[in-house]
Amino acid sequence: AQKVTQAQTEISVVEKEDVTLDCVYETRDTTYYLFWYKQPPSGELVFLIRRNSFDEQNEISGRYSWNFQKSTSSFNFTITASQVVDSAVYFCALVTIRGFQKLVFGTGTRLLVSP
Amino acid sequence: EAQVTQNPRYLITVTGKKLTVTCSQNMNHEYMSWYRQDPGLGLRQIYYSMNVEVTDKGDVPEGYKVSRKEKRNFPLILESPSPNQTSLYFCASSLSSEVFSGTDTQYFGPGTRLTVL
Repeated sequence: AQKVTQAQTEISVVEKEDVTLDCVYETRDTTYYLFWYKQPPSGELVFLIRRNSFDEQNEISGRYSWNFQKSTSSFNFTITASQVVDSAVYFCALVTIRGFQKLVFGTGTRLLVSP
Repeated sequence: EAQVTQNPRYLITVTGKKLTVTCSQNMNHEYMSWYRQDPGLGLRQIYYSMNVEVTDKGDVPEGYKVSRKEKRNFPLILESPSPNQTSLYFCASSLSSEVFSGTDTQYFGPGTRLTVL
């Protein structure tokens, strides 16, 4: 069975602080994809990144970076110099080769960035 | 503009009154699915469809029905809604039913907030 764990329910930071959102996944499949989605207060889901299980290179996109480590089954997300607009719920998700495109989501981490 | 649309966006109803939440995509996608989002549980898949006339249960199908008569539409039907179906619902679609086709990404609709009294 596939499972995604986001142990941090809520994180509060002050603007310009760096923050890391943790994601740990479980799957027996060797081929899979990992995702991060952002859900701002308006409620829609915004796709942030998709990584496959064969590519462990870290990725950076502006203030966002992702650290994928198969050895620890983790796919952590770091926001550098956080801003108030980063306040949202962030979901980590997994889909496997046998999953028929089903995204298995974590329970989400609510990030509150205060001025 | 490529998009997934859902209607209605907000709905308050009463127990037992049948309702349908529509989902439509304009990208000629094969795969469509429904998720519900509940506090502390994240999103869970209700039903999915690999193509026209091909549907199957997800993780939480009880109390829901779906149909896929046309490629673009995938309505979610609640025959007899109950308060435990109060939730935020998302429809999603992707180009192919094969997860490893190209750079396929699932596109999500804006969500439908349903309250069953």
